[in-house]
Amino acid sequence: GAVVSQHPSWVICKSGTSVKIECRSLDFQATTMFWYRQFPKQSLMLMATSNEGSKATYEQGVEKDKFLINHASLTLSTLTVTSAHPEDSSFYICSIGEMGTEAFFGQGTRLTVV
Amino acid sequence: QKEVEQNSGPLSVPEGAIASLNCTYSDRGSQSFFWYRQYSGKSPELIMSIYSNGDKEDGRFTAQLNKASQYVSLLIRDSQPSDSATYLCAVLTFNQAGTALIFGKGTTLSVSS
Repeated sequence: GAVVSQHPSWVICKSGTSVKIECRSLDFQATTMFWYRQFPKQSLMLMATSNEGSKATYEQGVEKDKFLINHASLTLSTLTVTSAHPEDSSFYICSIGEMGTEAFFGQGTRLTVV
Repeated sequence: QKEVEQNSGPLSVPEGAIASLNCTYSDRGSQSFFWYRQYSGKSPELIMSIYSNGDKEDGRFTAQLNKASQYVSLLIRDSQPSDSATYLCAVLTFNQAGTALIFGKGTTLSVSS
């Protein structure tokens, strides 16, 4: 399967600051990457689909101006949480996958906003 | 709203027993189904994928799919304490972006030694 590297693994930031999370596909050219968020004891919720060279497609209820996604190359997608607040504290996970196949996940990023 | 439903558990079984995990989904057009295992604080890892009605076996794991009933299950034979984790059912559906995996909330399995 594909190898996906996500960085950082965990981050603590002050309320009001912005945090950037990187998702790299190490051995696969990914035209599409997915960003999920998972709150404690909850399932993975799809936030957005990141498309290389074009705008991301956000799921209903996800603020595109707050969660900025950039997919500038076939191996890198970034998620920036802008003006983070404590309620944004969560586990953020990226994944890649060809259409119709399983997803390959990054290690996840634990974000804590204090 | 496309949904994937699972019993949250916890499901407790003794070591060596069979664990049975169940999942139902709402999108009748879905064709691809997956079971992931997630340890606390970690990302999900793929256990099984199934695309056709019937059973699919891989080692101690058997996935079962019934598209008419919109039901998919995972059986774990000879359960081990290391199988203790949360098991996520995922269904590939179509959305405005193309395709996306929709996850259930997961079933927590506890295998006691």
